[in-house]
Amino acid sequence: DTEVTQTPKHLVMGMTNKKSLKCEQHMGHRAMYWYKQKAKKPPELMFVYSYEKLSINESVPSRFSPECPNSSLLNLHLHALQPEDSALYLCASSQDTLYQPQHFGDGTRLSIL
Amino acid sequence: QQQVKQSPQSLIVQKGGISIINCAYENTAFDYFPWYQQFPGKGPALLIAIRPDVSEKKEGRFTISFNKSAKQFSLHIMDSQPGDSATYFCAARRLGQGAQKLVFGQGTRLTINP
Repeated sequence: DTEVTQTPKHLVMGMTNKKSLKCEQHMGHRAMYWYKQKAKKPPELMFVYSYEKLSINESVPSRFSPECPNSSLLNLHLHALQPEDSALYLCASSQDTLYQPQHFGDGTRLSIL
Repeated sequence: QQQVKQSPQSLIVQKGGISIINCAYENTAFDYFPWYQQFPGKGPALLIAIRPDVSEKKEGRFTISFNKSAKQFSLHIMDSQPGDSATYFCAARRLGQGAQKLVFGQGTRLTINP
């Protein structure tokens, strides 16, 4: 079992829907990440939160909106997505000290109809 | 400069054999090199990681070899087992903006034949 919990595991939504992905960790990590992973490809970084502040946005379209309500929770709000946004969305967290790795959740499989 | 090149793309090894996956990088700002193992339907799981001031690290059947001057590192899986069949990603980490950025290799799909 991973220590980063993501819900839901699967999500199917239409292009006009609004939905949210949730991520939770209780390891005391102060950095949290959203990645997008297409089939047979490596994860691609989308957003990074450090101490609950957005520190990195990798030029992600505004139809993806991240939120970090507290140090344990990370949300990704979705609105007006396109079919090409169908992918596995991964959350990760890490300590802010040297040589500590990122720990990933098992992701949300998102399908856009 | 931000790329990590990983080879091979796919690898088939007989049970009990040695699996070897190679990675190369350009950016000397990278300071930490983890390997992740990913099974279908699961997120990447940290397998083993190495710092650039260490030339080799071994954990059980898994060994990372690191060549700082050549900017290359590799994963060796000894006595490969069918349960090792998965996709393996090497990565290189750069610190900045209060967090770490991981640059992943393109992945290697490893199949261990029984």
